[in-house]
Amino acid sequence: QQQVKQSPQSLIVQKGGISIINCAYENTAFDYFPWYQQFPGKGPALLIAIRPDVSEKKEGRFTISFNKSAKQFSLHIMDSQPGDSATYFCAASTYSGGSNYKLTFGKGTLLTVNP
Amino acid sequence: GAGVSQSPSNKVTEKGKDVELRCDPISGHTALYWYRQSLGQGLEFLIYFQGNSAPDKSGLPSDRFSAERTGGSVSTLTIQRTQQEDSAVYLCASKPRDSKYGYTFGSGTRLTVV
Repeated sequence: QQQVKQSPQSLIVQKGGISIINCAYENTAFDYFPWYQQFPGKGPALLIAIRPDVSEKKEGRFTISFNKSAKQFSLHIMDSQPGDSATYFCAASTYSGGSNYKLTFGKGTLLTVNP
Repeated sequence: GAGVSQSPSNKVTEKGKDVELRCDPISGHTALYWYRQSLGQGLEFLIYFQGNSAPDKSGLPSDRFSAERTGGSVSTLTIQRTQQEDSAVYLCASKPRDSKYGYTFGSGTRLTVV
């Protein structure tokens, strides 16, 4: 059972364009929604995150839009650059007791930004 | 250390052999997670350690998988009698106890079972 569905699987954007990646979830117990960026041969690194009581969060060229009623959230990358080419994962966190905040990940989106 | 260190970075093993993967978390991080990243898949939770508490093993896919964490620091993930479907990147992450979401991932171990 895939609890976080991510689309598209791959995305090609021209330099300067907007990249949009979408995620949907089912579990209403999720209480934190991060996005991770992963370059080849590296582990995922936290990019930006949002809590469900906020509809939008912006950090530089990266924006998360969150729709709690639709149980959807998306990542927008403005003015996309070739250096943004990477795999992006959405995730959702649930509290599992103690200090265990377990992340459930989407399957990832391979973003290619052409120069 | 400066980051989460995993070794080896690459491991090729024959089907049926046992393998051990090592994770050295950031100093002072008491929480440690193992995740598995298969080709075209997201990250799949395997196991969680927090201090001396009983680990959360709910993500281990079979009894061929086990992990331990000695002295609250270094962790070893062991896969016995490896199968081809075990081929994946195994990622370790650590975080401070009082941080809910501050995961730092290592670069992973790419395991190939031939």
